Amino acid sequence: AQSVAQPEDQVNVAEGNPLTVKCTYSVSGNPYLFWYVQYPNRGLQFLLKYITGDNLVKGSYGFEAEFNKSQTSFHLKKPSALVSDSALYFCAVRAPPGAGSYQLTFGKGTKLSVIP
Amino acid sequence: DSGVTQTPKHLITATGQRVTLRCSPRSGDLSVYWYQQSLDQGLQFLIQYYNGEERAKGNILERFSAQQFPDLHSELNLSSLELGDSALYFCASSPGTSGETQYFGPGTRLLVL
Repeated sequence: AQSVAQPEDQVNVAEGNPLTVKCTYSVSGNPYLFWYVQYPNRGLQFLLKYITGDNLVKGSYGFEAEFNKSQTSFHLKKPSALVSDSALYFCAVRAPPGAGSYQLTFGKGTKLSVIP
Repeated sequence: DSGVTQTPKHLITATGQRVTLRCSPRSGDLSVYWYQQSLDQGLQFLIQYYNGEERAKGNILERFSAQQFPDLHSELNLSSLELGDSALYFCASSPGTSGETQYFGPGTRLLVL
C-alpha cells in the first residue's frame, strides 16, 4: 500500500524567507509524486509533479520540490515566501503505470502561514 | 480554473436522504476520480471511472455509488445519509488511465443535519 507523511501540521515563515514543507512517501516501484495547494473554500490546485528525470522539479508560483530517492522524500520549497502563499499544502503519491490503480494517496496536509 | 466543474457548490440535507453530486471533466479527459475530504479522514480516494467503466475503488461506502455517462460527465450518488457523511467531495479528471496529473474541481460541500 502506498502512503504519504507530512510531519508538520503547520509551518510558519516570515515573508521573504525561504520555506520548506516536508513530505515523505512509501510506494512500490518508482513513485509519481505531486504537490497540490488548497486555498480556503477552494479546490486543490496542482503545483508540480515528479515522474522521472531531474531530482529538482520546478512548478507554479515559484515553487520547486526536491526528490530524494534514498530518503523517500519530496520536500516542497520556495526561495522567498509571500503572504499570498499562505494556504494548505498537500503532498500526494501515485503508483507507476502498470501497478493497477492510479488513485492519489494524500498526506494530511500542512498549513503554511507566511507572516508579514 | 482547472476546467473541471462540479455542481452544486453547497448541499444541505437531512439524515436518511439521498443526494446526487455532478462532475464535468476537462475537455478531452476520459478519467474521472472522486475524493472525499473530511476533518478526521483527510483526503480519501473513493472511486475512478474511465470512459464509462469503473476502474478502481477506494474507501467508498456501499451506500455510495457513481457512474460515468457517455458524454463523460460523472455523478456520485450518496444515499441513507448520515451525519458523518458531511464533507467536501471533489472530482478530478485526467486524460487517460495512466494520465499523470489529476486536475480537481472546486468541490461540493455537503452538510447532513
